[in-house]
Amino acid sequence: DTAVSQTPKYLVTQMGNDKSIKCEQNLGHDTMYWYKQDSKKFLKIMFSYNNKELIINETVPNRFSPKSPDKAHLNLHINSLELGDSAVYFCASSQDVIAGNTQYFGPGTRLTVL
Amino acid sequence: AQSVTQLDSQVPVFEEAPVELRCNYSSSVSVYLFWYVQYPNQGLQLLLKYLSGSTLVKGINGFEAEFNKSQTSFHLRKPSVHISDTAEYFCAVSPVTGGGNKLTFGTGTQLKVEL
Repeated sequence: DTAVSQTPKYLVTQMGNDKSIKCEQNLGHDTMYWYKQDSKKFLKIMFSYNNKELIINETVPNRFSPKSPDKAHLNLHINSLELGDSAVYFCASSQDVIAGNTQYFGPGTRLTVL
Repeated sequence: AQSVTQLDSQVPVFEEAPVELRCNYSSSVSVYLFWYVQYPNQGLQLLLKYLSGSTLVKGINGFEAEFNKSQTSFHLRKPSVHISDTAEYFCAVSPVTGGGNKLTFGTGTQLKVEL
């Protein structure tokens, strides 16, 4: 059983398109995250949700909109894709939002914008 | 704000040799410290973390790390590496309070184990 799963694994699209990445966790965790890993492998947090409530929103363009329909799912919708959005996007989850809780990462979604 | 520095972008080492991956951090508040490993084309997996107590932390796969508050370091060590340890290693910190369990990562160290 995959603890944190993401779909799709690969996503290739044209500039200007709108796309979504889905994330699901079956760990019963309350908190979920989105991270972006750039071409130099630098990882940076984008958003976190706790029980469907937005907790962290790092200076991310408003073309990126996370949506949490329930606490087991956190989807990422990206409007008007740009070349610079090409990256690997990782979803993660933790028991709750308290510091020190281990974050469990999904396998990543490699987004390529042409 | 926090920042994490991993000075070595790549560390080549022969199999069965010891290895140390360096991590230094900067923070105006107390932090928890983590090491994560990323195998090729996979997500990140926790190796170990320091929350409190003994400054020597043991993790999975024979790795350990030592927290040094005065030097603001959290170096990762393994006494004898295996080919399967080839991966990217990330050091990260999280504020003890007020951070919402936010992780700030270093730029990673590529460990390449050779025969």
